This record gives sequence, structure tokens and C-alpha cells, in this order.
Amino acid sequence: GDSVTQMEGPVTLSEEAFLTINCTYTATGYPSLFWYVQYPGEGLQLLLKATKADDKGSNKGFEATYRKETTSFHLEKGSVQVSDSAVYFCALSPRAGGTSYGKLTFGQGTILTVHP
Amino acid sequence: DGGITQSPKYLFRKEGQNVTLSCEQNLNHDAMYWYRQDPGQGLRLIYYSQIVNDFQKGDIAEGYSVSREKKESFPLTVTSAQKNPTAFYLCASSIGPQVPGANVLTFGAGSRLTVL
Repeated sequence: GDSVTQMEGPVTLSEEAFLTINCTYTATGYPSLFWYVQYPGEGLQLLLKATKADDKGSNKGFEATYRKETTSFHLEKGSVQVSDSAVYFCALSPRAGGTSYGKLTFGQGTILTVHP
Repeated sequence: DGGITQSPKYLFRKEGQNVTLSCEQNLNHDAMYWYRQDPGQGLRLIYYSQIVNDFQKGDIAEGYSVSREKKESFPLTVTSAQKNPTAFYLCASSIGPQVPGANVLTFGAGSRLTVL
């Protein structure tokens, strides 16, 4: 079955540091890939997505590139802020149509803490 | 503003009791989902519904039940058969199956259930 693996956390950085959170996946075909963010005590929010190989998703200074050859979708940000402290989830959804289309498979989440 | 409302935010239950978590959306979305979140395990799908009066089991449906009598509402009942119900429960919705954006989920703020 489909699966998503994220780097182990927690990740602790100083403000303005460079961020990378690794994500690799296993899936048949060409899934869509997502990063969601969860702030303390809240639900998840879509951060960015990519639907085909070599697509780059970007939002709020975060970027991730869909790499089919390495089955990866690593999240990066050049300069993190304290307000970026949250839990980050990588996820995929299968490409095939039908009732499975909206079902997402999530990674285990990576806790990010940014200190001033 | 459109969104998903989950209630209650916090709930305590004694062993052997059934509890029902409410999920209401005003996004006019056809599809709705229930996920369970446990620390370090990401999100796991409990049940999902692509249309009114129809729903399917997800990966961890045992001990849970749902109904979908109205498009806006998708309540989740945690029954006494659920062996380890203490968790954070997230409701989500998407526009519907087999249309653009079908795999983009909007989440509620979650309900935290604690069994005493």
C-alpha cells in the first residue's frame, strides 16, 4: 500500500536558519503530494502541493519539489521565523479516480520549534 | 466565512460510554472524512463519505460509527468497543470525488477525547 515517511523530529532551529524536512513516499502511479501544517491546538492547513513530477509547490516562503526519480518531496525554507513553529505533515493522494481520490496517506509529522 | 466546525473541543468519557463528536461544514463540499491523530503516528483515516447517505470504512474503523443524513453534517460516534479511544479527532471535507481539487482537504480544529 501507499506510505509516507518523514524525517524524525523534533527539529529545533534559531530564527533565520535554513529549514529542510525530508519526505519520501511509496505509491503506485503518479500521486499528488502535499505539505500540511498544524499550529498548536488547531487542525491542519494546506501549506503547498504538487501534482506531477518536477512541479514545485510554494507558499509563505516554503517550497517543495516533486522528485519522481527519488520519490521525494522535501520541504525547505530559506529563513525560518518563530511563527513557523508547528507540526508539518507530508501526505499523498493516489492519482487514480474513484472513491479513493480524496483519501490521503499522511506521514507521522515533524515538530519544528524555532527560537528567537 | 466558510469552514468546518467541530464540537466539543474537549470531551471526557468514562469507560463503557459511547460519545458522539459533531462535525458541520458550510463549504458545500460533498466529501467528508474523519481522521484520528496520535502522537508520533500521523493521521489515520477512520471513515469517509463521498455523498449523502453513503459512507465507507477507512483504515481503523473498528469501534467507530458514522452517519451522513445531511450534506453539512458527518457525526462520529466512538463506541465502547473502541479499545483505546483517547486521541485527537479531526474532521475534514473536500469538494467531492473525481473533480479538480477533490484531494485538497479542509480541516476542522479538532476534538480531543480523553477516556477516564
